[in-house]
Order: sequence, then C-alpha cells, then structure tokens
Amino acid sequence: EVQLVQSGAEVKKPGDSLRISCAGSGYSFASYWIAWVRQMPGKGLEWIGIIYPGDSNTRYSPSFQGHVTMSADTSTNTAHLQWNSLKASDTAIYFCARVARGDYFLRYWGQGTLVSVSS
Amino acid sequence: DIQMTQSPSTLSASVGDRVTITCRASQTINSWLAWYQQKPGKAPKLLIYKASSLDSGVPSRFSGSGSGTEFTLTISSLQPDDFATYYCQQYNSYSPVTFGGGTKVEIK
Repeated sequence: EVQLVQSGAEVKKPGDSLRISCAGSGYSFASYWIAWVRQMPGKGLEWIGIIYPGDSNTRYSPSFQGHVTMSADTSTNTAHLQWNSLKASDTAIYFCARVARGDYFLRYWGQGTLVSVSS
Repeated sequence: DIQMTQSPSTLSASVGDRVTITCRASQTINSWLAWYQQKPGKAPKLLIYKASSLDSGVPSRFSGSGSGTEFTLTISSLQPDDFATYYCQQYNSYSPVTFGGGTKVEIK
C-alpha cells in the first residue's frame, strides 16, 4: 500500500528556519516525483513544485522559486520542504503527494503538515 | 502560467440533485485536467484524471468531460458524502501546474 506520512504540526516565529518531511512507503520512492502543495487558511490549493528523489531534480513554480527548497533522501525514503527565514504569510497546511508516472496529477497524498508562523 | 477559472465558487444543492461544476483554462490544455474532492481537515482526493478517466474506487456518479479549454465535473445524483470542496488542476507538461479556485458544494 502506497503511503505518504508527513511530520507533525509546527509553531514558529518570523525569521525562524524550518524543515518538514514526507516519508514514502509501499513503492519505489526513488522512481516517482513528489509534489508539494500549499493551502493557506480557508483558501485553495497552490502548486509549490516537484522533486524527483532518484536524482534530486527539482521544478519550482515561479511563485515559490527562491522562497522554499525541496530535497529528498533515498536512504530514508523521505522528501523535505525547507525555509531559511519564515514569514507570517507562510502560515498554511503543506501537503506532499506522489506524482503519477508520466503525468502530473496526484493520486496519493500525505495527511498535511500545519505550519503556523506568528510573533 | 495557465489560469484555471472554476464556477460557481459555491453551490447549494440537495441530496439527489444533478450537479455540474465548470473549469475553464486560459489556454488549451488538451485533456490534461484532473478533479479532486477535499473535505475539511483532509487531504484532497483524486476523482478524475485526463479530463474523463474515473480513478479507481471513485463512485460512478462522478464523471468528467471536456477538452481544450472547457471542462465539467458532473455528479449525477448528489449523496450526503459528496458535500465538499472540488478543485480542478491542469497539468499541461509545458506550463507550471495550476489549480482552480475551488467550488464548495453545500447542503441546500
């Protein structure tokens, strides 16, 4: 069974750094792109970007390029999303999801990680 | 980027109603469109991909149609479990992936 399990909720202050994780199991983790999606409070879904764990190739949405960093570790089958300096506007739920082979729709999703940034 | 416009943003309906949600792309995306259902506090769930392909385990009352720039998601007979928010997503390979703004289906 394909599973994506994300790390727990985080409460941070502006300027803090943060890395959240997404652990994949039940499939060949290195062979499927992982997507990250943001959902701000009460709002819709926003595509952050994708990473291919097999070679760490990344593709960022222009809106998020330079603001977050995606990485992946095939030794632990875990993908990460990282911020160097959080802002209050980063407050959101962040989902990881497995990208379908050959297409970019998302069949398997993590449960989401709530990131709260407040002074 | 390709903009996805969903309508309506909110829809009030009763159990048993036929419901249609529309998604328009700002440029052609062929059939590279997916539909998701999201309930409060949960991750989205894939319903339809490639505009009209029903994902495994999704009830047959859900159907998708369209190509090019105009797409629809239809629920043939709304069930209590279907009250949720629905999103379209375009995944044309030559443009960043984008989602529609969402349609909330409420109880009338």
